[in-house]
Amino acid sequence: ELKVEQNPLFLSMQEGKNYTIYCNYSTTSDRLYWYRQDPGKSLESLFVLLSNGAVKQEGRLMASLDTKARLSTLHITAAVHDLSATYFCAVDSSGGSNYKLTFGKGTLLTVNP
Amino acid sequence: DTEVTQTPKHLVMGMTNKKSLKCEQHMGHRAMYWYKQKAKKPPELMFVYSYEKLSINESVPSRFSPECPNSSLLNLHLHALQPEDSALYLCASSRPFAGTEAFFGQGTRLTVV
Repeated sequence: ELKVEQNPLFLSMQEGKNYTIYCNYSTTSDRLYWYRQDPGKSLESLFVLLSNGAVKQEGRLMASLDTKARLSTLHITAAVHDLSATYFCAVDSSGGSNYKLTFGKGTLLTVNP
Repeated sequence: DTEVTQTPKHLVMGMTNKKSLKCEQHMGHRAMYWYKQKAKKPPELMFVYSYEKLSINESVPSRFSPECPNSSLLNLHLHALQPEDSALYLCASSRPFAGTEAFFGQGTRLTVV
């Protein structure tokens, strides 16, 4: 059974600081996704990582994938309040043309002024 | 148009009721998904449709009955639900190719009384 572990599960940071969220998974996969969810809202796709060494950046967020270590990171640079949300990583284990996404438990990020 | 539209946004139903959740997308996606998300938990896959055929059923109880009448629509028929079925039900769609991102609808918040 695929396991996806995120840490930390709760992260409280000050504006302007940097931090990294880690996502470990237990099976071979080269398809990993990061999503953001605001309270009571749906999931917003942030990054799609499809190969070993993939790195993608959007604004203050940067995601990377190391398939050999089965590890993805989401790095936050100079956090701002608007980044407060829950961040999920998800691994696609289907091996086919459909998603069978298994999500981590999520990291609740709170950015304080 | 990158929108997945779900109706209704909120639904309260009794344990003897029959209701349906609807999901629509016009992105030409041929894979559609139902996820269930309990409060403060990650989404869990329920069903996957690929080219209008059910391809994955994650051992969901029969009181949940999915239907994909055409390539743009996905329904989830509900009957004799239990209070523990109260959750946010998310629909998603994607192109039927490995490694493409899924787009999620805003969800239906279901309360079973």
